Amino acid sequence: GIQVEQSPPDLILQEGANSTLRCNFSDSVNNLQWFHQNPWGQLINLFYIPSGTKQNGRLSATTVATERYSLLYISSSQTTDSGVYFCAVVGRGGSEKLVFGKGTKLTVNP
Amino acid sequence: NAGVTQTPKFQVLKTGQSMTLQCAQDMNHEYMSWYRQDPGMGLRLIHYSVGAGITDQGEVPNGYNVSRSTTEDFPLRLLSAAPSQTSVYFCASSHPRSRTGELFFGEGSRLTVL
Repeated sequence: GIQVEQSPPDLILQEGANSTLRCNFSDSVNNLQWFHQNPWGQLINLFYIPSGTKQNGRLSATTVATERYSLLYISSSQTTDSGVYFCAVVGRGGSEKLVFGKGTKLTVNP
Repeated sequence: NAGVTQTPKFQVLKTGQSMTLQCAQDMNHEYMSWYRQDPGMGLRLIHYSVGAGITDQGEVPNGYNVSRSTTEDFPLRLLSAAPSQTSVYFCASSHPRSRTGELFFGEGSRLTVL
């Protein structure tokens, strides 16, 4: 099945810094999403982005489907951005399965 | 609009006991799924459903059963609990425009098997 790798596994920032999280996937995808899991365990969908670029406030995401990667940008980070960021994909092999990477744990210090 | 509702939020079982984790959504989503989350493993798909009466296996289906008799409900059954099933379980559903479009998660159910 399709493989999803996220980097870096851990990231520590000072408040106000910018960061880039990366998601590589091993095959063509029909669907790619980014999620944020806050320190209380709640999972929130950030972007549905199988290709192209989207922005939502301080967050933006770009997926280059032909090169099999996606990037999540966080600008002017805040302590509330802390948590784990997951990338998830559905391969084009006909399966409906959304496969998750292992996540990037982000800690933003005040 | 409650979104995706999971019950119970916490449960402790003894090895060999059975139980059902309930999941309900009120968004008329066709696609529903169950994941388990273990430290360092991300989220792994257990079972999923693309509509009432249709279910399929995910990455880690052994020891779990599901059914989808209505659009709204997608219960997950543990037939004979084992310590390896200690985990946090998430139910999720997706928008009807696309079977696996934006995914919405419940708050999770933390299960401990002794």
